[in-house]
Amino acid sequence: DAGVIQSPRHEVTEMGQEVTLRCKPISGHNSLFWYRQTMMRGLELLIYFNNNVPIDDSGMPEDRFSAKMPNASFSTLKIQPSEPRDSAVYFCASSSGRRGGTDTQYFGPGTRLTVL
Amino acid sequence: ELKVEQNPLFLSMQEGKNYTIYCNYSTTSDRLYWYRQDPGKSLESLFVLLSNGAVKQEGRLMASLDTKARLSTLHITAAVHDLSATYFCAVVNSGYALNFGKGTSLLVTP
Repeated sequence: DAGVIQSPRHEVTEMGQEVTLRCKPISGHNSLFWYRQTMMRGLELLIYFNNNVPIDDSGMPEDRFSAKMPNASFSTLKIQPSEPRDSAVYFCASSSGRRGGTDTQYFGPGTRLTVL
Repeated sequence: ELKVEQNPLFLSMQEGKNYTIYCNYSTTSDRLYWYRQDPGKSLESLFVLLSNGAVKQEGRLMASLDTKARLSTLHITAAVHDLSATYFCAVVNSGYALNFGKGTSLLVTP
């Protein structure tokens, strides 16, 4: 299995521009997570999808952030407009979602976003 | 709010030595994970601990869980340079969300 795939790996943009991050979860996994990692705040959960439905978006910082999962094999995280404080590494993770088991979350390689 | 605290946050140790990283968490949880992150890389799952008294070992790393004390330990035996990385513990909250500790940056020196 290819694991969780994210694109782009690096993104440099200017303040005010729209940024779209993409994620392909592991085939067969029905839970998908977006996390953000910064030096100041560590790893934070932004949003959680189960069977393509957003279950918990309480970690989304503000209305500038939105996430979609149109099908089981694709999700996007969009920031519009972007601001310098959005600079971070954004990880996508997926898990089987089966209760009662280990349900380990497998992380993608991350997208390093820099907003100038 | 579930809080996860790791200590130490930074650890420099000589090759061949033993050391333990501690992870305390504030509320009951049914799963605890340890992840490894190399600089500029993703997070790699090391262990998942499900029950009180659980112990898992892989090579020079051994993880344990005491749910009554809300404490997990990651013990490093006879450290080697390849173990240099940042180690995170993460505790499940609300059945799915991972709450991460701040991580322990480990540097193993000759």
